Amino acid sequence: SQELEQSPQSLIVQEGKNLTINCTSSKTLYGLYWYKQKYGEGLIFLMMLQKGGEEKSHEKITAKLDEKKQQSSLHITASQPSHAGIYLCGADNYQAGTALIFGKGTTLSVSS
Amino acid sequence: GAVVSQHPSWVICKSGTSVKIECRSLDFQATTMFWYRQFPKQSLMLMATSNEGSKATYEQGVEKDKFLINHASLTLSTLTVTSAHPEDSSFYICSARKTGGNQPQHFGDGTRLSIL
Repeated sequence: SQELEQSPQSLIVQEGKNLTINCTSSKTLYGLYWYKQKYGEGLIFLMMLQKGGEEKSHEKITAKLDEKKQQSSLHITASQPSHAGIYLCGADNYQAGTALIFGKGTTLSVSS
Repeated sequence: GAVVSQHPSWVICKSGTSVKIECRSLDFQATTMFWYRQFPKQSLMLMATSNEGSKATYEQGVEKDKFLINHASLTLSTLTVTSAHPEDSSFYICSARKTGGNQPQHFGDGTRLSIL
């Protein structure tokens, strides 16, 4: 079965600093999704990446997909306290339409 | 606005009680919905796939008789935790996904279940 490994597991950064979270898949990626979750709440969809080399941005968050490496990275520029939360990457298991498989998440804390 | 609505958001009840959680797709018809469980500081664990008009597909290790799923309409799936015990206490989240091509899953806000 496919597994997603996220690194780092947790991260504390100072406000204004940049950071990167990585997500590596054990199998071929058919679609990679990034979500943000505040503890005890639902998941907020951030971005979806489908093609190798694809890069998407939303406000100060940028995500890239390296299909060959079976890896995606999420980069936050000039972090703010509002960026704090748990970031989860999800991937289609073997076909689109089935449930996403998730990594264990990266907990981000931003100190002011 | 919310695409998926989940209710209730928090339940506290006595051991032995059955608890029903509702998941509604607000903006689209969902022939398939998903139920996840999340333990503190851990990722989401898929429990089952809810199929409209047919039986749910359960993941290995998930008790069908304990976690009853009903998907009677294209916009509503329910999860009933039967005869709940303290070990069933957890955070349960549902999601729905539009059909056709790669589509993101949209999640409800989750239900925190506490069994005393």
